[in-house]
Amino acid sequence: KNQVEQSPQSLIILEGKNCTLQCNYTVSPFSNLRWYKQDTGRGPVSLTIMTFSENTKSNGRYTATLDADTKQSSLHITASQLSDSASYICVVSPYSGGGADGLTFGKGTHLIIQP
Amino acid sequence: NAGVTQTPKFQVLKTGQSMTLQCAQDMNHEYMSWYRQDPGMGLRLIHYSVGAGITDQGEVPNGYNVSRSTTEDFPLRLLSAAPSQTSVYFCASSYSPGGYGYTFGSGTRLTVV
Repeated sequence: KNQVEQSPQSLIILEGKNCTLQCNYTVSPFSNLRWYKQDTGRGPVSLTIMTFSENTKSNGRYTATLDADTKQSSLHITASQLSDSASYICVVSPYSGGGADGLTFGKGTHLIIQP
Repeated sequence: NAGVTQTPKFQVLKTGQSMTLQCAQDMNHEYMSWYRQDPGMGLRLIHYSVGAGITDQGEVPNGYNVSRSTTEDFPLRLLSAAPSQTSVYFCASSYSPGGYGYTFGSGTRLTVV
């Protein structure tokens, strides 16, 4: 069964510090991996999307890495801000030509930034 | 503003009642989906559509119906609400296969008492 495991479940860090969130997946075949940010009471918003040939992709202070061989991804947040407090969801797609079916969602990491 | 619009934002239903959650997008996306999000669980696919007139079941379709008569709209119908359907529901749309450009609505929080 396709699975996406995220760690840690929750994380509290001080404002200005860096942090790294982990995502391990057992989805096959693999097409792409996305990281989403979900603020409380809002829908998920895309941060990055990577195919199997991409190792690193950045979006401002967010940097995602992908190791397709070990089926691991990480999301690194640099110089955290209070607005980074949110849930971060890892999503893996097995298709390059399908629609919404087949996406596997992780349960998310709940990140809290303290002043 | 372009995007995915969901209504209502909040709803309380009594067990056995029916209702329709509305979802509309103005980006001319072919692919649209409905998910539910429960505490401690990832988003789970209820139903999806790859174009007007075409729908299919996702992971947790029981108790829900959908139809897609236009590209813009993808309503989700609860036939006879049950407490187990208490959840936050998200609609999403995408312009391409594989979900590139995947955009979520802001959600509908449904409570069934």
